[in-house]
Amino acid sequence: SQQGEEDPQALSIQEGENATMNCSYKTSINNLQWYRQNSGRGLVHLILIRSNEREKHSGRLRVTLDTSKKSSSLLITASRAADTASYFCATDGYSGGSNYKLTFGKGTLLTVNP
Amino acid sequence: GAGVSQSPSNKVTEKGKDVELRCDPISGHTALYWYRQSLGQGLEFLIYFQGNSAPDKSGLPSDRFSAERTGGSVSTLTIQRTQQEDSAVYLCASSRKTGSPLHFGNGTRLTVT
Repeated sequence: SQQGEEDPQALSIQEGENATMNCSYKTSINNLQWYRQNSGRGLVHLILIRSNEREKHSGRLRVTLDTSKKSSSLLITASRAADTASYFCATDGYSGGSNYKLTFGKGTLLTVNP
Repeated sequence: GAGVSQSPSNKVTEKGKDVELRCDPISGHTALYWYRQSLGQGLEFLIYFQGNSAPDKSGLPSDRFSAERTGGSVSTLTIQRTQQEDSAVYLCASSRKTGSPLHFGNGTRLTVT
């Protein structure tokens, strides 16, 4: 089953507006990452937040993490048409010793209209 | 520097044939991952390599799927006796070490007819 689940599944906004996407997960994590995927391409890493961090910024991106609620949010400020893409959260963990796994959610499709 | 390279970019094969997908990770990256992405879906974890060993093979969908990595570099994912449900984009990613951000290739789009 998916560890991370993004919400909403799809989001459509106007250029200049802010976009907020949420991610919920089920088990304890070491870190949580956000990735972006343009149509027909691989995923691109955006930002990583560790389990002992609560907030992190990178340019127009702001990520928060609430480990008590097992949730994270990605905020994109002053959105641009070029931000149109699918956004995925990914959570990591170890099971059975050295069995590392980075698990992705189903993603949020963000459309920024010019 | 060069990113993760996957080949072929597209593969159309007949049901029942075997296919081999190749991934060239970023030089020096010790961790390598294979994922599968069906249309409009998230990423399904297939297998993870640390060096040449694969501690976790639990994600491989069936015994028709196998993967290997040689010399701590190139990896191949082999699907035997392909079925139509194997149609998907197969993504490879590498990272400098376990737990570091992943660098993805553009994937191989597999279509089984």
